[in-house]
Amino acid sequence: EAQVTQNPRYLITVTGKKLTVTCSQNMNHEYMSWYRQDPGLGLRQIYYSMNVEVTDKGDVPEGYKVSRKEKRNFPLILESPSPNQTSLYFCASSTAWNEQFFGPGTRLTVL
Amino acid sequence: KQEVTQIPAALSVPEGENLVLNCSFTDSAIYNLQWFRQDPGKGLTSLLLIQSSQREQTSGRLNASLDKSSGRSTLYIAASQPGDSATYLCASDNYGQNFVFGPGTRLSVLP
Repeated sequence: EAQVTQNPRYLITVTGKKLTVTCSQNMNHEYMSWYRQDPGLGLRQIYYSMNVEVTDKGDVPEGYKVSRKEKRNFPLILESPSPNQTSLYFCASSTAWNEQFFGPGTRLTVL
Repeated sequence: KQEVTQIPAALSVPEGENLVLNCSFTDSAIYNLQWFRQDPGKGLTSLLLIQSSQREQTSGRLNASLDKSSGRSTLYIAASQPGDSATYLCASDNYGQNFVFGPGTRLSVLP
């Protein structure tokens, strides 16, 4: 089944404790993105990647890192999480100029 | 910087009605525009994608149009059903994977 998977789905952590949210797709898509969704602010793009080893900042990249060492994986790294990074995070993938497929989301709470 | 707005913010209609959701964007230099559906607590499901060279796309009871010159897209839902209740989001792709989302329209279809 074609899909985008994210892990973990739910995470509660404390300020400053490094964490990684994984994202994997099985559709051989070149493009992958990370978003955060917050009430009143909607969905905002954090980072995106057009292919292996090619990444670029979205609208809200501060406090996040990404890497794209393999085509199928695009992990989101929070080196030192803060409470303002409490949010619902989505990973998405697509081929060039085509529709995006979204993962199920990761709900992160930073205490 | 691209800004995407959606009107109305919320809509409640009786079952069977035809309805129109509106999406506006400030920068007409887009590669494509995509409509999504999001159910509460869930990820996004792609409904329709309109390439910049296209004027409309149809899928079942859904029809989306795009007018780049006026910076507008509409999503038409025919013969609405309670199962159509969800939040509908539009997103523009401006620079190749740099997606900007609208805030969404929350639709309730009453039996």
